[in-house]
Amino acid sequence: QQQVKQSPQSLIVQKGGISIINCAYENTAFDYFPWYQQFPGKGPALLIAIRPDVSEKKEGRFTISFNKSAKQFSLHIMDSQPGDSATYFCAATSAGGTSYGKLTFGQGTILTVHP
Amino acid sequence: EAGVTQSPTHLIKTRGQQATLRCSPISGHTSVYWYQQALGLGLQFLLWYDEGEERNRGNFPPRFSGRQFPNYSSELNVNALELEDSALYLCASSLQGSGAGGPDTQYFGPGTRLTVL
Repeated sequence: QQQVKQSPQSLIVQKGGISIINCAYENTAFDYFPWYQQFPGKGPALLIAIRPDVSEKKEGRFTISFNKSAKQFSLHIMDSQPGDSATYFCAATSAGGTSYGKLTFGQGTILTVHP
Repeated sequence: EAGVTQSPTHLIKTRGQQATLRCSPISGHTSVYWYQQALGLGLQFLLWYDEGEERNRGNFPPRFSGRQFPNYSSELNVNALELEDSALYLCASSLQGSGAGGPDTQYFGPGTRLTVL
């Protein structure tokens, strides 16, 4: 029940294309869903986050879509650039219960954007 | 503003030894979190400290322990090292733990690469 499942494991897109990464969760107590971007040799950096009271959040080229009934959320990267090539992690946490304070991460997606 | 800092960058130990990893949170942050990123296993939550107290713990054996100091810095201790403890250990900090407004954003440091031989 604590898992967050992320797909695909790897993704290759052409420059200018749209990258889409999907995540699904089981724990209905989760109430905060951040996405992190990690470059080799670096720690994860927060990209964008959403709470379940909204269905979509957009920041620049990055958009999170959230479907509470399906317990799914996704990251869309518009106009993908070679500099976006990194590993992306979805995560979830809650303000109480056993998930209190801890981020439960998906398995990660390695994104490669070809020029 | 300085981000989360961790030391050392790399640490090499032999099986059975103890390792101590250190973390300094972003100024003003009172919560510190530890995660293990092992190859093929993703990011796994280890520990959360807030105001000097352990608030939550992941599914790791007791030989993984830590503490938070009055200045909110933290250290992670791993006793009786095993080969499978080889991983990147990441520290994160936030303004506070999950308060009334919901979970606070966690900001990660660059990590300490622990290699157990």
